[in-house]
Amino acid sequence: GENVEQHPSTLSVQEGDSAVIKCTYSDSASNYFPWYKQELGKRPQLIIDIRSNVGEKKDQRIAVTLNKTAKHFSLHITETQPEDSAVYFCAASVRRGNKLVFGAGTILRVKS
Amino acid sequence: GAVVSQHPSWVICKSGTSVKIECRSLDFQATTMFWYRQFPKQSLMLMATSNEGSKATYEQGVEKDKFLINHASLTLSTLTVTSAHPEDSSFYICSPRAREAFFGQGTRLTVV
Repeated sequence: GENVEQHPSTLSVQEGDSAVIKCTYSDSASNYFPWYKQELGKRPQLIIDIRSNVGEKKDQRIAVTLNKTAKHFSLHITETQPEDSAVYFCAASVRRGNKLVFGAGTILRVKS
Repeated sequence: GAVVSQHPSWVICKSGTSVKIECRSLDFQATTMFWYRQFPKQSLMLMATSNEGSKATYEQGVEKDKFLINHASLTLSTLTVTSAHPEDSSFYICSPRAREAFFGQGTRLTVV
């Protein structure tokens, strides 16, 4: 089936702390895993992605890890800042890469 | 970089009327357009995939006669919500690709 589960649904952290959001997917053929940030009333923006031939990818304060065996991947944000507050969505490619299935989203609140 | 322009950004219409949403690819050719719907505080759900010059592919549960999709050129794809009802009120958003997807600005439709 085509299913992506995302946890937690809400996450509050203190400014400067780290935030971790986790996703699991069901399609063993999935090979592309993007993460999106969506601010209120705006379009989702791609912040980082990872392909199945890589276990980890980092871009400044953001990193994504992938465990293909367990079919889960995670977003790690370090040194969180108030502007990191938003809804974050994970996604996985299905249907031979021609479709993205999104997780339910995580509301991240960074308290200053 | 490549940009997709979506219009209108918001629209209010009466029940029973039809609304057309346009997505234009600027300075690139879009052979495919993915149309998503996002209900308040929910995730993005793929409705259909339009293909230039051929019929759109609809996801399970999406009424093709209600959500008319046209992709008559490489720069324009349209979604028409016919006989709109309050339950069609949602955020509609397009993207020209699945991998490294970027989105139009989105259209917030409110049916009263």
